[in-house]
Amino acid sequence: NAGVTQTPKFRVLKTGQSMTLLCAQDMNHEYMYWYRQDPGMGLRLIHYSVGEGTTAKGEVPDGYNVSRLKKQNFLLGLESAAPSQTSVYFCASTRQAVSYGYTFGSGTRLTVV
Amino acid sequence: GQQLNQSPQSMFIQEGEDVSMNCTSSSIFNTWLWYKQDPGEGPVLLIALYKAGELTSNGRLTAQFGITRKDSFLNISASIPSDVGIYFCAGQNYTGANSKLTFGKGITLSVRP
Repeated sequence: NAGVTQTPKFRVLKTGQSMTLLCAQDMNHEYMYWYRQDPGMGLRLIHYSVGEGTTAKGEVPDGYNVSRLKKQNFLLGLESAAPSQTSVYFCASTRQAVSYGYTFGSGTRLTVV
Repeated sequence: GQQLNQSPQSMFIQEGEDVSMNCTSSSIFNTWLWYKQDPGEGPVLLIALYKAGELTSNGRLTAQFGITRKDSFLNISASIPSDVGIYFCAGQNYTGANSKLTFGKGITLSVRP
């Protein structure tokens, strides 16, 4: 049982480049989330999805887009990367909105130069 | 929006000591969760609390859901080097499908051998 898998684990981008981060879960979870973690800032919610085909904005959505075409996958896109998007990105999922806790992936460390 | 306060940002203790962490909110929650994040990994759920006054243990960890529903604490007894990491509290007040966890900014725990 893999849980939540994030790819890639590390990436360096040049300013203005685009990329997609993939999150895959094999637990049949309905809800999925993308967070970014920066020193001293904790976990900040970027976008989330309450089911296949749905997406919604979180706390810091600017500069990011997401898609949930399949229930098991949640993609986070950066269309034109900026140095301010240098961060560690975490995906999480849970079965239902009444939370018994999110399951997190191991993160993607992104550096934009 | 809802905010969770965790302080101090860092704690330094000696191996074998007990440590207590507090999390407070200006809003009421009906679920409190405690997570631990090891270096280079995603957060992992330690303890979940669902009822005001509830006291729950998981090995050397004990957590309580405050009576006012606006706070929670986590106690680690007889600390060991592998307790090093970031400890996050999270709360939720379920109001529907878009209900999400609110995370504190975390406390980084260091354990001196």
